[in-house]
Formats: sequence, structure tokens, C-alpha cells
Amino acid sequence: GNSVTQMEGPVTLSEEAFLTINCTYTATGYPSLFWYVQYPGEGLQLLLKATKADDKGSNKGFEATYRKETTSFHLEKGSVQVSDSAVYFCALKQGNMLTFGGGTRLMVKP
Amino acid sequence: DAGVIQSPRHEVTEMGQEVTLRCKPISGHNSLFWYRQTMMRGLELLIYFNNNVPIDDSGMPEDRFSAKMPNASFSTLKIQPSEPRDSAVYFCASSLEGLTTEAFFGQGTRLTVV
Repeated sequence: GNSVTQMEGPVTLSEEAFLTINCTYTATGYPSLFWYVQYPGEGLQLLLKATKADDKGSNKGFEATYRKETTSFHLEKGSVQVSDSAVYFCALKQGNMLTFGGGTRLMVKP
Repeated sequence: DAGVIQSPRHEVTEMGQEVTLRCKPISGHNSLFWYRQTMMRGLELLIYFNNNVPIDDSGMPEDRFSAKMPNASFSTLKIQPSEPRDSAVYFCASSLEGLTTEAFFGQGTRLTVV
């Protein structure tokens, strides 16, 4: 079956540091890939997505590239802010089914 | 659109009581998902509907859990009888059908069973 594996958290960074959160997936065929963000006390919100190989999704300074050869979709941001502190979920969609990774908590210190 | 609307936001109930969680999806969306989130198990898919029909309920923990979608604008998740281990945040999400479409999540219902 399909699965998504994310790096374990928490990830703790200082403001303006570079962020990478690793995500790899297992799926048959060609899924779409997503990153969602969850702020405290809220539901998940879409951060970015990529729907085919080599596509780059980007939003709010975050980027991720769909790498079919390595089955990866790593999330990056060049300079994090305190307001980026949240839980980040990588997900894949195949057919109509969304499969989520376990989530990675990011804590950014001033 | 107001987004996916869930009610109640918080529910505290005693063990053995029936609990009903409600969800109104975004108008026009034909896929609806119920998830449960806990610290121990993360985000788990409980059940998925397409065009009001349950497609995959393999994530429903046991017979105490049931879900319905009587029409395109309303779904319920019922737990009867509730147990302390059911304490979690329950999310409803909806999407348009299709490989590339994202799911939109509600704010969640935080359930505490004492």
C-alpha cells in the first residue's frame, strides 16, 4: 500500500536559519504530493503541492520538488521565522485517497 | 464559502455515553474524509465517502464507531458507547474528486471521554 515517511521531530531552529524537512513516499503509479501545515489548535491547511515529476510547489517562501527518481518531496525554506512554528505533514494522493506522514514539529526560536 | 464546518468544537462526555460529531463540507465537494489525531498515533483516516457513499471504512476502529452521510452537505461520526481511549481530535475534510485536488480541513472537534 501507499505510505509516507517524514523525519522525526521536533526540529528546533533559530530565526533566519535554513529549513529542510525530509519526506519520502511509497506508491504505485504517479501520485500527487502535498505539504500541509497545522498551527496550534487548528486544522491542517494546504501549504503547497506538486502533481507530476519535477514539478516544484512553492508558497510563503517554502518550496518542495517532486523527485520521482528518489521518491522524495523534501520541504525547504531559506530563512524561517518564529511564525513558522507549527507541525508539517507530507501527504500523497492516489485516486481519491490522501495518505499522510506522521508530521514533523518545527520550533523556531527568536 | 465558510470552509468545512465541524461541531461541536469541544466535547466532554462520560464513558459509556453516545457522542455525535457533525460536519458540513464545502459546497460542491463530493469527497469527505473523517480523521482522528492523537499524540500516540498521529493522523489516522477513519472513513472516506465519495458522492455520499462510504468507499473505505477500514480505518474505523471497531463497531462502536459509525459514520453516515445522508446528503451532500452533512455527515456525522457517532461513537456509542464512548471510552476514554477515544479521546482525540477528530477532523473532517472535503475535496473535489480527482488526483490533483487538495483536501480542506475543518477546525476539528476535541473529544474528551472521562
